[in-house]
Parts: sequence; C-alpha cells; structure tokens
Amino acid sequence: KNEVEQSPQNLTAQEGEFITINCSYSVGISALHWLQQHPGGGIVSLFMLSSGKKKHGRLIATINIQEKHSSLHITASHPRDSAVYICAVRLRGSQGNLIFGKGTKLSVKP
Amino acid sequence: EAGVTQSPTHLIKTRGQQATLRCSPISGHTSVYWYQQALGLGLQFLLWYDEGEERNRGNFPPRFSGRQFPNYSSELNVNALELEDSALYLCASSFYQGNEKLFFGSGTQLSVL
Repeated sequence: KNEVEQSPQNLTAQEGEFITINCSYSVGISALHWLQQHPGGGIVSLFMLSSGKKKHGRLIATINIQEKHSSLHITASHPRDSAVYICAVRLRGSQGNLIFGKGTKLSVKP
Repeated sequence: EAGVTQSPTHLIKTRGQQATLRCSPISGHTSVYWYQQALGLGLQFLLWYDEGEERNRGNFPPRFSGRQFPNYSSELNVNALELEDSALYLCASSFYQGNEKLFFGSGTQLSVL
C-alpha cells in the first residue's frame, strides 16, 4: 500500500464546475504540500499545510490531521486549471524527504 | 527575480556514461532538493543539500551523487548510467531547511539510450 494515496486518478470537468481532489496518507507527517504540474514538467507549489485550511484565489486546501486526509478544491474551474495535481507529505522527523502521491490528472473542458 | 534554473533542458547519454545536471536556486535559498520523475513511477526524492552539506538522501544507489557549491548552486551526478535512469530530474529550492514552501525548476529530461 502506498503511503500517499490520491483520488481520483483522472478527472474530467466542465468549465465552471467545482472540483475536489483527495489525498490520504498513512504516516505521521509534519506538513503536506499540494503541487501543480503542467504538461512539459514544470511544477508549481500551490500550498503547504500543517493544519486547517488555506485559500488562494479559486483554490482551497484543507487538512484533517486526525483523519490523515487533505482535499484540494477548485471553484469555478477553467481550462487553464488542466494539469496534474500532486499531493506530497513530509514525514514527521524526516527533513528534506517528501513522499509523493501519484497525482490526479485534471482536464477542464470549455 | 529569477526562479530556480536547471541546465541542460535535455540530455541524451548512452548506457554506462556519466551525466551531470545543474541547478541554480532562487537567490537567498540555501536548501536544494533533487527529485526523479520516471515515467509511470511518480516523483521520488533523491537528495537534499543545505549549506553545502548533503543532509538526506532517498532510496537510490551511490552512483547518484551530487554537491552544493558555496553559492548554493548544485550539481547532480549520475554515474554508470542505466536505461532506467531515463527520467525527468527536478530541482527545488527553499529558504532554509524544514517545512518551507518549495520552488521548482523546469527540470532536465535525461534519456539513456
């Protein structure tokens, strides 16, 4: 079993829809990252969370430490949101090392 | 302000050769991380350098090595290349060690023939 599981693996949405991507992990963590990877490989860090909720524009990330679960929400989705979204966790007591989920490929149709 | 820069963008080598990949972090960032993204395998942590020292390494053989220079730029060396080393190698930097936001470069696509 992978230490970081994401769902769904693939997601197709219509422009304007509300999108949720989930991440579950089985280990103790000190932080969780949400990353966005566009075709061509470049990665952008969207959020880093250790508790609660963060919002940036149309993106919202939440984390429940007790349930070992995080969600990334996109409101009013747009075709430019099409990308792979990757959840990554930093193990408690392990600096530098991130464990990555396999990613969720999102396609937003106009 | 310049972001994290990696060179070269693409690198083609043959099996058994050595590859050197370079990374320049954002100005002021002292930590540099290297990750491998092989097709179908997802991202895997390779190495972490901070203040010129190797601080942690992932589950990779010793032929994967690197260093960090006094200006905080970093090199990743892969010796005795194998076909399965073909991957996108991503470098990231952060302000200092710990739970800091990461800034990624665009990667070096290494192809081993």
